[in-house]
Amino acid sequence: KAGVTQTPRYLIKTRGQQVTLSCSPISGHRSVSWYQQTPGQGLQFLFEYFSETQRNKGNFPGRFSGRQFSNSRSEMNVSTLELGDSALYLCASSPRDRVDEQNFGPGTRLTVT
Amino acid sequence: AQSVTQPDIHITVSEGASLELRCNYSYGATPYLFWYVQSPGQGLQLLLKYFSGDTLVQGIKGFEAEFKRSQSSFNLRKPSVHWSDAAEYFCAVGAGSGGSNYKLTFGKGTLLTVNP
Repeated sequence: KAGVTQTPRYLIKTRGQQVTLSCSPISGHRSVSWYQQTPGQGLQFLFEYFSETQRNKGNFPGRFSGRQFSNSRSEMNVSTLELGDSALYLCASSPRDRVDEQNFGPGTRLTVT
Repeated sequence: AQSVTQPDIHITVSEGASLELRCNYSYGATPYLFWYVQSPGQGLQLLLKYFSGDTLVQGIKGFEAEFKRSQSSFNLRKPSVHWSDAAEYFCAVGAGSGGSNYKLTFGKGTLLTVNP
C-alpha cells in the first residue's frame, strides 16, 4: 500500500506570494491533518479534515487555509507569505479521526525569501 | 491544554551504549502517548505508542518506553544504540474532544548523536 505522498517536496517562494501544498493520503484514509515544523516553534498542529470538512484548527492566522476533496486528497494554502512561514509542512492521514493511526508523509520544505 | 516537555535538546552516546530519552507530559485525561523518530529531511516515523494496559511498551528498532502516571513521564529506552539511530526523537501526546482524538502535541525534540 502506498504511503502518504506530498507534493512538491521543495518550494521556494517570495514574501507576499501565495502557495498551495498537496497531500495524497493512504488509500482508504478519510482524515488528513497538517502540521508545521520550524526550528523555533517545533511541530505545531495546523488543521484536520475529515470527509471534506475541516473539523479542527490550530492556532494559526487566517492566511493558512486548507480543503479536502471527495477522494480525501487535501491541499493547504498560505496567502501573503512571510519569512516566518519557512518551514517543513507535514501531512498525516488516518482511516478515521484517530491520532493513533496517523501516518506521516515526507513533508514539503517551503522556503520564503 | 496538553503539553509535552523533552528536557534534553541534544544527547550524545557511544555506539553500543544504552540510551534513555526523557519525556514529561501534561494532560487532563488518560493520555495517548507516542514516540516518533525523524531522520534529516524525512517525515516522522512512529516508534511506539501507549494507550492503556501494560505500562512497558515495545516498539520498532529495539526501542521500548515506560509509562509512569505518577511521574507524568514516558521515557524512551534502548539497551544498545547503533550508529543508524542517530536522528531526532519526538515525544507526543494525542488529544481531542467529543470521543475522537485528532491532534498530536509534540515536544521540542531530542537530537541524538552517536559516536563510533
